[in-house]
This record gives sequence, structure tokens and C-alpha cells, in this order.
Amino acid sequence: EAAVTQSPRNKVTVTGGNVTLSCRQTNSHNYMYWYRQDTGHGLRLIHYSYGAGNLQIGDVPDGYKATRTTQEDFFLLLELASPSQTSLYFCASSDARRVNTEVFFGKGTRLTVV
Amino acid sequence: GDSVTQKQGQVTLSEDDFLFINCTYSTTTYPTLFWYVQYPGQGPQLLLKVTTANNKGISRGFEATYDKGTTSFHLQKASVQESDSAVYFCALVNNNAGAKLTFGGGTRLTVRP
Repeated sequence: EAAVTQSPRNKVTVTGGNVTLSCRQTNSHNYMYWYRQDTGHGLRLIHYSYGAGNLQIGDVPDGYKATRTTQEDFFLLLELASPSQTSLYFCASSDARRVNTEVFFGKGTRLTVV
Repeated sequence: GDSVTQKQGQVTLSEDDFLFINCTYSTTTYPTLFWYVQYPGQGPQLLLKVTTANNKGISRGFEATYDKGTTSFHLQKASVQESDSAVYFCALVNNNAGAKLTFGGGTRLTVRP
């Protein structure tokens, strides 16, 4: 079974604070993703990557940076957190070398910016 | 860009009722279409997928058919159970744009015993 592990699972920070969300996958997948989930919007793609050192811009990238340090690890950085970034964040991975492959998700990180 | 629309934000049914969740999509090419299900406290997980080759996906009693003419991919189940209560997402992968997955807004299904 594919495994994607996110940490922390819950985080509270203040406006203007600095936050890093971590994700590790042990699936040997090449693609990794960061999504945010908000009621009425479904899951929206922030950033994604097809390998170590690569970064692709998603659909809602403003206010977020990301870095893929290894095949396994993908980080999401909020350098000046704002209340609008309060959300449920999901990391995911897939083996896009196989056409139409499934995307596997972690359990999510709930971030609250006060 | 690609988009996926689910008009029903919430659906409430009783056990053994018929389920129908509407999904329409817009894309510039022939996508692969997915239904993902999310249970409380979990990330989304794949329920079923349909490619341009096979047109229909079936899994765990759920069924979805890919209609290119109406660009729709509705989810159906003949008889729901309380355990089917979850959030259901329609999604697509544009096979000409890498592995980027675009989701609809989700439909929360509540099944009363």
C-alpha cells in the first residue's frame, strides 16, 4: 500500500508567522503535490514536482513556496502566514511514468492562522 | 485551463436509496476521469477511474460512465448504505499536461439508517 506521511497533523500560527509543512512518500513515486482543501472549492493545487530540485506552479500558488529536496521529501513553506491560508493541506504522490495512474494522498495537515 | 464542476454540495439519502451525483468537466483534450472518496479524518482515496479506452468504471457497487458528448461523468449507485457516507470528488487528469489532477468542489453524501 502506497504511503504518504504528513507532519505536523495540526498547526496553529499567528499572522505573519513562518510555517513549514512536511511530506514524505515511500512509494518511489516521481510526482509529488501540495493541495489545499476548502469547503465549496474542493482540492486546489498549490505546487507540484516531478523530482528532486524540480518545482511546478499549481493553480493557487500565491503566498506559498515549496521545495523538493529528495525523491521522498516535499515541503510547503508559508513565510508570512495570513488568515486566508487557514485550511486543510494535503500532500500526494503518483508514479506519472505510468499513464492514468492513481494519486495517493496523506492524511492532511490542518493549519490555523490566527 | 481544465475545470470540473459538481453542482450538488450536499446529498442526503436513506439506506437503499439510489445515488446520483452530477459531474461535468471542461478540458482541451481527452482526459482520464476519476472519482475519489474522502472519509472523515482521511485523505481522498481512489474510488474508480475511466479512460477514453473503456468509457465506464465500476467499483464497490459504484458506477460512472464517461460521456464525451455531454462532457459528463456522473456517479451512480443502486442502493446506498450508511457506510457510504463521505465526501465524493470528481477529478480529471489532462494527459497532455503531465500528471496534474484537477478536482471538483466535492459532494458530501449523508446516508441515514
